Amino acid sequence: NAGVTQTPKFRILKIGQSMTLQCTQDMNHNYMYWYRQDPGMGLKLIYYSVGAGITDKGEVPNGYNVSRSTTEDFPLRLELAAPSQTSVYFCASNLLSGRHRGGYGYTFGSGTRLTVV
Amino acid sequence: AQSVTQLGSHVSVSEGALVLLRCNYSSSVPPYLFWYVQYPNQGLQLLLKYTTGATLVKGINGFEAEFKKSETSFHLTKPSAHMSDAAEYFCAVSDVLRSGGSNDKLAFGKGTLLTVN
Repeated sequence: NAGVTQTPKFRILKIGQSMTLQCTQDMNHNYMYWYRQDPGMGLKLIYYSVGAGITDKGEVPNGYNVSRSTTEDFPLRLELAAPSQTSVYFCASNLLSGRHRGGYGYTFGSGTRLTVV
Repeated sequence: AQSVTQLGSHVSVSEGALVLLRCNYSSSVPPYLFWYVQYPNQGLQLLLKYTTGATLVKGINGFEAEFKKSETSFHLTKPSAHMSDAAEYFCAVSDVLRSGGSNDKLAFGKGTLLTVN
């Protein structure tokens, strides 16, 4: 049971390049999330998904896209990278169901540190 | 919408001293509350949570927190700090839905960096 796995761990992008941050979970969690963490700012929600085929915007979605074709995978796409997207990105998952709504807390991946130059 | 305020971006204590990290929340209903810990270059790990029932909750590594509705607070404490407690701590809140359980998103505070001398 690996939990939430993120790849890559580190990446340097040039302005205008694109990339996909990968996130996979093996806990059969229905909810998945992407956050970015900037120093002194806490975590900001980018996008989230309540199940395969369903995604929704969070607090800071501009410049990002997501898809959720399977329960396990929730990739985050950066198009036309900008220096403002330099950050640490965390993927998380959670199980919310009729009997277990919200009481577990999130499981986080170990993060992807992205630098845009 | 719910929000969290963590008082003090940096707290420094001596080894063996009391640890007190402050968290106040804003929510229209008694929420679900969480504390997470982040060690350097790692993801966030759940320390403890309050959902319903006993207002004093115990977590891992000797930490505990008390939900005080009248003060809208959920402060984190540990009687005796250890060097290994040095990390960043995040308080998070999730609204409780009228039907029971939480909504599908957490709101995080900006974090408190704990150093232990």
